Amino acid sequence: LAKTTQPISMDSYEGQEVNITCSHNNIATNDYITWYQQFPSQGPRFIIQGYKTKVTNEVASLFIPADRKSSTLSLPRVSLSDTAVYYCLVALNTGGFKTIFGAGTRLFVKA
Amino acid sequence: GAVVSQHPSRVICKSGTSVKIECRSLDFQATTMFWYRQFPKQSLMLMATSNEGSKATYEQGVEKDKFLINHASLTLSTLTVTSAHPEDSSFYICSVEGSYGYTFGSGTRLTVV
Repeated sequence: LAKTTQPISMDSYEGQEVNITCSHNNIATNDYITWYQQFPSQGPRFIIQGYKTKVTNEVASLFIPADRKSSTLSLPRVSLSDTAVYYCLVALNTGGFKTIFGAGTRLFVKA
Repeated sequence: GAVVSQHPSRVICKSGTSVKIECRSLDFQATTMFWYRQFPKQSLMLMATSNEGSKATYEQGVEKDKFLINHASLTLSTLTVTSAHPEDSSFYICSVEGSYGYTFGSGTRLTVV
């Protein structure tokens, strides 16, 4: 299982773009990179998933360099409601492969 | 992704009693489900992998006789915390592997008094 490393916490202000980088040096060829958001007393919520290059959806972008040893979650124009813990997970996309969570990044968005 | 329903959302029980937590996959037949435990200010810790029709696979350090897992159908997995003690108080979360990665339940806050 690929181990992930993220900053423990980050601070930002409303309206700013936030980039959270995750390191996963021993990512396997078949692993996908998935980011989740978790609010207190709730289960994690899927944000975005990618394999390589760039992926964009309605809430975020995911940048993955060619070597895939890191990935960056980009949240455009954050709001107070984006204050949460963000987890980067690296695992096979299918097959019942267990998912191991790293420590996550606690994002604080200030007014 | 899959739609996952987890019940109850919170439960308070007396020390020594057992508590059952249900995880349902509402729109996806899940042969595999996962159970996590999360203590305050900490990350999710995988407890076990629930396999439909067979025994669960427990992570190292997790007592299988204390945390009983049953996955009798493709839509339901249950976690029973037996003889609960205050140190079992935690946030328990299940997940289901769907089409686009894993979908998580809303979690169950267990408080043992």
